[in-house]
Amino acid sequence: DADVTQTPRNRITKTGKRIMLECSQTKGHDRMYWYRQDPGLGLRLIYYSFDVKDINKGEISDGYSVSRQAQAKFSLSLESAIPNQTALYFCATSDSRQGPNTEAFFGQGTRLTVV
Amino acid sequence: AQSVTQLDSHVSVSEGTPVLLRCNYSSSYSPSLFWYVQHPNKGLQLLLKYTSAATLVKGINGFEAEFKKSETSFHLTKPSAHMSDAAEYFCALSFWGYQKVTFGTGTKLQVIP
Repeated sequence: DADVTQTPRNRITKTGKRIMLECSQTKGHDRMYWYRQDPGLGLRLIYYSFDVKDINKGEISDGYSVSRQAQAKFSLSLESAIPNQTALYFCATSDSRQGPNTEAFFGQGTRLTVV
Repeated sequence: AQSVTQLDSHVSVSEGTPVLLRCNYSSSYSPSLFWYVQHPNKGLQLLLKYTSAATLVKGINGFEAEFKKSETSFHLTKPSAHMSDAAEYFCALSFWGYQKVTFGTGTKLQVIP
């Protein structure tokens, strides 16, 4: 089983609909992130959470919200989906106890299409 | 502010020839640097990371990268490309006390038979 699991893997939704993307991890990491990937733009940070009580906006948080339900779970919501939110979304985790050289570990991604 | 610049959006090499993927960074602090690889329809996998212990870092699948502080670069190299190396590669940066990883825009590597 994957250490960082995203559900669903693929989703097509209509404009204006609310949608939630879920991420769970078994790595025991305290930090979790949501990124979106667009061709030519790389990965851009949407939100991040350094622990259950700490939620922070990333560079492109408008139109998104998150919930850190537990250390292992971090959900991303699109309250009213719009077509330009069509993208590949990645959840990632990292472990602050590993110090400054820690890397992020990624889920397999969720491909979201808003029509 | 910190940033990562990948100088080439696409690189094409012939199988068996060397690979060079370029990455420059900007950081107010001493950074940690990473290279990730993404194969089609897959998540990102760590190739290697710079830990400040050695400037030449060896990673998986024969890749290596050299940290050059004077040039603010962390270029990824491989002596001989293999067809399975065709993927997108991302350079990334984080720094002490604020471990939010910043990614470059990616370089797509094409390997020609």
